[in-house]
Amino acid sequence: DIQMTQSPSSLSASVGDRVTITCRASQSIRSYLNWYQQKPGKAPKLLIYAAFSLQSGVPSRFSGSGSGTDFTLTISSLQPEDFATYHCQQSYSSPRTFGQGTKVEIK
Amino acid sequence: EVQLVQSRAEVKKPGESLRISCKVSGYSFTSYWITWARQMPGKGLEWMGRIDPSDSYTNYSPSFQGHVTISADKSISTAYLQWSSLKVSDTAMYYCARRWPSGSYDSLDIWGQGTMVTVSP
Repeated sequence: DIQMTQSPSSLSASVGDRVTITCRASQSIRSYLNWYQQKPGKAPKLLIYAAFSLQSGVPSRFSGSGSGTDFTLTISSLQPEDFATYHCQQSYSSPRTFGQGTKVEIK
Repeated sequence: EVQLVQSRAEVKKPGESLRISCKVSGYSFTSYWITWARQMPGKGLEWMGRIDPSDSYTNYSPSFQGHVTISADKSISTAYLQWSSLKVSDTAMYYCARRWPSGSYDSLDIWGQGTMVTVSP
């Protein structure tokens, strides 16, 4: 199985901050990387697929980059509704493994 | 509106069997694979397996193979996740999600609301 490792596991930030979350794969997954947002008590929501493609309806302050083994999710200006847990997932091979999640908390 | 509606929360004892469901509406059930994922309390998501509803072909994570069964009933647009003998360690939230292909890529674009399964002696 491909192992996905996110860093940091949690972070504290303020509204308006630029936030960067990293996801590293244990082997090359080319651009087969998705990002999801999950709020407490809710199901995950797809934000970005294929490493950098924004899902319909997702604000443009979210962006994804990377290929191979190293990927980044960036929130350009953190908004109150962005405080949540973010998960990466590889779709290169089965099983489609997830990272352990990064919780973004209010500073 | 595309929706995946999951069955209600369950409380079971170790050794009991259980089947939870995921009913699809708003699109053709047989056009998209359904994936199941587990989220243990306070933990991350784990990909369990998926099913192609058109022919019921399944693909499991080795971590879950042999412990759960994924199935589907085309006649009622519903996917299932079942256990024949639950363990306390199966206590978790379980999500179904639609696999959305985009070219050679895929992602999970629509999710059910989750079904909480609690297994306690």
